[in-house]
Amino acid sequence: AQSVAQPEDQVNVAEGNPLTVKCTYSVSGNPYLFWYVQYPNRGLQFLLKYITGDNLVKGSYGFEAEFNKSQTSFHLKKPSALVSDSALYFCAVSQYSNYQLIWGAGTKLIIKP
Amino acid sequence: GAGVSQSPSNKVTEKGKDVELRCDPISGHTALYWYRQSLGQGLEFLIYFQGNSAPDKSGLPSDRFSAERTGGSVSTLTIQRTQQEDSAVYLCASSFTLAGGGETQYFGPGTRLLVL
Repeated sequence: AQSVAQPEDQVNVAEGNPLTVKCTYSVSGNPYLFWYVQYPNRGLQFLLKYITGDNLVKGSYGFEAEFNKSQTSFHLKKPSALVSDSALYFCAVSQYSNYQLIWGAGTKLIIKP
Repeated sequence: GAGVSQSPSNKVTEKGKDVELRCDPISGHTALYWYRQSLGQGLEFLIYFQGNSAPDKSGLPSDRFSAERTGGSVSTLTIQRTQQEDSAVYLCASSFTLAGGGETQYFGPGTRLLVL
């Protein structure tokens, strides 16, 4: 069965420091991997996705994620955090011919000034 | 262009009443999805549409929940005889197609439902 794990409920980072939000997955076959962000009282916004090709994917707002097949991970990163990055981040996975996204539980990112 | 819109943004109802939640997908998107998000939790998949057809309704929590889509566009999620455990944010998303599994889903702002 497909699954996604976000091992950290919350990540605290000082403004200006690099940030990482972790995601590991379990699927049979090749995964499609997504990151979404949710600001308070808002819907989810798409950040980036990995389908195929280059393992380093660049997305919105300066975020990037690296697909690591051997470690079955897709960690979200940003070189320099902003206070405005504080939000809830969700990782999701799907497979070819499977429409359904399987979602992680979310990680709350707090950037302190 | 316009994104996914949902109405109402907030709904307060009394236990036992019926509610209807509406979703307008991005124009041209053939696939539409409904999710439920309880406070501080992840997303629970409810149902998806390809065109007007909903091939898999197994994600609906009970037979009090139903959904339809007309004209390949607007969708309505109906909850009959609401219960307090139905209180949540109901999110709608759309994507261009379902093909391949890698389609990006674009989300609306959600409807926050509170059942008293």
